[in-house]
Amino acid sequence: SQTIHQWPATLVQPVGSPLSLECTVEGTSNPNLYWYRQAAGRGLQLLFYSVGIGQISSEVPQNLSASRPQDRQFILSSKKLLLSDSGFYLCACRGPTDTQYFGPGTRLTVL
Amino acid sequence: EDQVTQSPEALRLQEGESSSLNCSYTVSGLRGLFWYRQDPGKGPEFLFTLYSAGEEKEKERLKATLTKKESFLHITAPKPEDSATYLCAVQAIGGAQKLVFGQGTRLTINP
Repeated sequence: SQTIHQWPATLVQPVGSPLSLECTVEGTSNPNLYWYRQAAGRGLQLLFYSVGIGQISSEVPQNLSASRPQDRQFILSSKKLLLSDSGFYLCACRGPTDTQYFGPGTRLTVL
Repeated sequence: EDQVTQSPEALRLQEGESSSLNCSYTVSGLRGLFWYRQDPGKGPEFLFTLYSAGEEKEKERLKATLTKKESFLHITAPKPEDSATYLCAVQAIGGAQKLVFGQGTRLTINP
């Protein structure tokens, strides 16, 4: 079965600073990968998904971008963070039978 | 547009007091309905997938059921360790297996 790694686990960044969150997956090849954001007390909002290297689909217009430089690596970035970018960021990988499995998440606080 | 609504937002039960959580959905064509459990500060943990009306799945004290408009997560004789936020999500036919999540139900089981 697949294992999803995310880092960092926690991040505090000033407004206007850049961002790079990384997700790597073990135990599978050519997976569909997803980035979600969860605001406090709310459900998950899909931000980006990727079906292969270099293939990124954006779900919500925003201050963020995503890249997939390798088969099992998915990166979430921003050039200039906004206060509204604060949240819990989750990377997910599609497993057998369409189930998505989630990583441990990154808690981002923008001050 | 695919939508998921969960109720109640929060539920507090005594240990051993059975209850049900509701997930109402609208989707163009249902590929699957997913239940996850999320502990504070952690990524969601997969529980069940349901594919068609009338289907039921069980795991320990949890049983998930599905109709054409909603799903229920029944919790029988819960224990304090069942305390968590329970998330429901739907996946529509087609696309890249994207999930649309409800806002979750925060369940607290008092000893």
